[in-house]
Amino acid sequence: DQQVKQNSPSLSVQEGRISILNCDYTNSMFDYFLWYKKYPAEGPTFLISISSIKDKNEDGRFTVFLNKSAKHLSLHIVPSQPGDSAVYFCAASSWYNNNDMRFGAGTRLTVKP
Amino acid sequence: NAGVTQTPKFRVLKTGQSMTLLCAQDMNHEYMYWYRQDPGMGLRLIHYSVGEGTTAKGEVPDGYNVSRLKKQNFLLGLESAAPSQTSVYFCASRTGGSNQPQHFGDGTRLSIL
Repeated sequence: DQQVKQNSPSLSVQEGRISILNCDYTNSMFDYFLWYKKYPAEGPTFLISISSIKDKNEDGRFTVFLNKSAKHLSLHIVPSQPGDSAVYFCAASSWYNNNDMRFGAGTRLTVKP
Repeated sequence: NAGVTQTPKFRVLKTGQSMTLLCAQDMNHEYMYWYRQDPGMGLRLIHYSVGEGTTAKGEVPDGYNVSRLKKQNFLLGLESAAPSQTSVYFCASRTGGSNQPQHFGDGTRLSIL
């Protein structure tokens, strides 16, 4: 069962505009959420995280929002740059086993110049 | 600063052959992980280790074995490879404590004919 879902396989935005990537989860025990970015032929690299005690975390151009009641999180990139073009994975883990991290299938973001 | 290094990067096997994938990290991390990534799916946890000499099963452990004889190395073994094990394998490590992100290697692409 896929406990973390990214329903949009791809997203295309214009340079300078906002990119919004979405993620839904089903396990109410998840309390730590992360976004990873992946370029071709490389491993995922950590981008930003949020714990369930917060509803927003910001790091430069990247902001993650968490809506626990809706079991939904989103990643906002403002402004988007061509170098942001990559696959973005949402991931989550629970307080009772923070080693068992579940990943979404990823969203391919293309930022057009 | 190498981070997480996976060996080999590519390999083609015949059904029934065995092989070992090596993961080495130079960050003195306690925790190490093996994932597989298949098309249209997120990363799925195979096995993990919370310290030297310890291993535990993840979401999809069948057909794989692991060993953590040294803190810096985590080995993933396929005793009798099957075509269903064709995948890209990622190793990751992280420091101890809760809510710490995992750091990934660049992956091993394994094809089983």
